[in-house]
Amino acid sequence: NAGVTQTPKFQVLKTGQSMTLQCAQDMNHEYMSWYRQDPGMGLRLIHYSVGAGITDQGEVPNGYNVSRSTTEDFPLRLLSAAPSQTSVYFCASSYRQGRANTEAFFGQGTRLTVV
Amino acid sequence: AQKVTQAQTEISVVEKEDVTLDCVYETRDTTYYLFWYKQPPSGELVFLIRRNSFDEQNEISGRYSWNFQKSTSSFNFTITASQVVDSAVYFCALRANTGGFKTIFGAGTRLFVKA
Repeated sequence: NAGVTQTPKFQVLKTGQSMTLQCAQDMNHEYMSWYRQDPGMGLRLIHYSVGAGITDQGEVPNGYNVSRSTTEDFPLRLLSAAPSQTSVYFCASSYRQGRANTEAFFGQGTRLTVV
Repeated sequence: AQKVTQAQTEISVVEKEDVTLDCVYETRDTTYYLFWYKQPPSGELVFLIRRNSFDEQNEISGRYSWNFQKSTSSFNFTITASQVVDSAVYFCALRANTGGFKTIFGAGTRLFVKA
């Protein structure tokens, strides 16, 4: 059981370049999220999805796009990378357990540097 | 709006000391979930505990214990007899049932345990 898989693990981009961070989960979880982690700021929510075809903005959505065409995949797109997007990105999934919400299952992270 | 505050940025203790990590949260929802995660130096995020808003029982798991007090909106985490392996960044997080299943994280507390 692979859990949540993020690719790539490391990436260096030039300012203005575009790229997609991939996230896939094999646990059939309804909910998926993207976070960025910056020193001293914890994890900040970028975008999230409550199911295939449904996405919404988090705390820091500007500069990022997402889509959720399948339950398994939740890619994060940077249309025009900026140095301010240098960060570690985490993808997470979770599901509803009866009336309860489970904890988030995190991927290993993608370290992105924009030069 | 939801908010999680971890006022302690860094804590340094000597091995075998007890240490408490503070977490204060804000939400208008009556149904919500609180979480603690550990991020060791290797970078992955490890789930520690989930607590729902209707369950104020304190919990103990080995050297870890959690004190949930709705009256003060706090969910504090205590490590008893700390060990060097406890050195990590610890995050407190909040998810409310309304608001689209967003999970909001605190900024984290970095714990150093010296031998």
